[in-house]
Amino acid sequence: GESVGLHLPTLSVQEGDNSIINCAYSNSASDYFIWYKQESGKGPQFIIDIRSNMDKRQGQRVTVLLNKTVKHLSLQIAATQPGDSAVYFCAESYFFSGTYKYIFGTGTRLKVLA
Amino acid sequence: GAVVSQHPSRVICKSGTSVKIECRSLDFQATTMFWYRQFPKQSLMLMATSNEGSKATYEQGVEKDKFLINHASLTLSTLTVTSAHPEDSSFYICSARGARRGGHTGELFFGEGSRLTVL
Repeated sequence: GESVGLHLPTLSVQEGDNSIINCAYSNSASDYFIWYKQESGKGPQFIIDIRSNMDKRQGQRVTVLLNKTVKHLSLQIAATQPGDSAVYFCAESYFFSGTYKYIFGTGTRLKVLA
Repeated sequence: GAVVSQHPSRVICKSGTSVKIECRSLDFQATTMFWYRQFPKQSLMLMATSNEGSKATYEQGVEKDKFLINHASLTLSTLTVTSAHPEDSSFYICSARGARRGGHTGELFFGEGSRLTVL
């Protein structure tokens, strides 16, 4: 199966600060990107998505930036809260052999410090 | 509430037995479902893609005879781990893609995952 990376990097931020989580994707044909939040023992939870015809999209307290030139995706969380502590994954989607595939990045553990 | 239901959430079985995990889309028709496997502190690894009414497409390195996937209806896909061994112990997560009321195609909805422990 496809997967990227074996270790989860950790980002520690103070409560109230902004967080920026980065992700590098691999397939230049990917046209849809999603950020997921995963808490321990649970399935991934959708946060925000962006299509390749956009370079920025904003949600509630979250912003996703897409740089197709360098195949880079970032998730910005404003005013980080303790409830934001989780592992964050980016996923890229592309059409292959008659279906869409969704491939996940390595993931980043976000720790919010009180 | 959750739009994809996965069951069971936890299962413990003896080595050599088979275990079936169900994945249901609750409020939409899932034309495509995906099965992922996740080891501790690692990312999700795509195992297979299943389209309703056709055979699943397995990723390289995933044994199709070991991990049987059935997608018999637009709301149900099952993963059967056959003759399970301790190395099959893992967190298995299903996801579904399809048109959702008020939403758009492309978004993946995930189940809550099933933790399999093989003794």
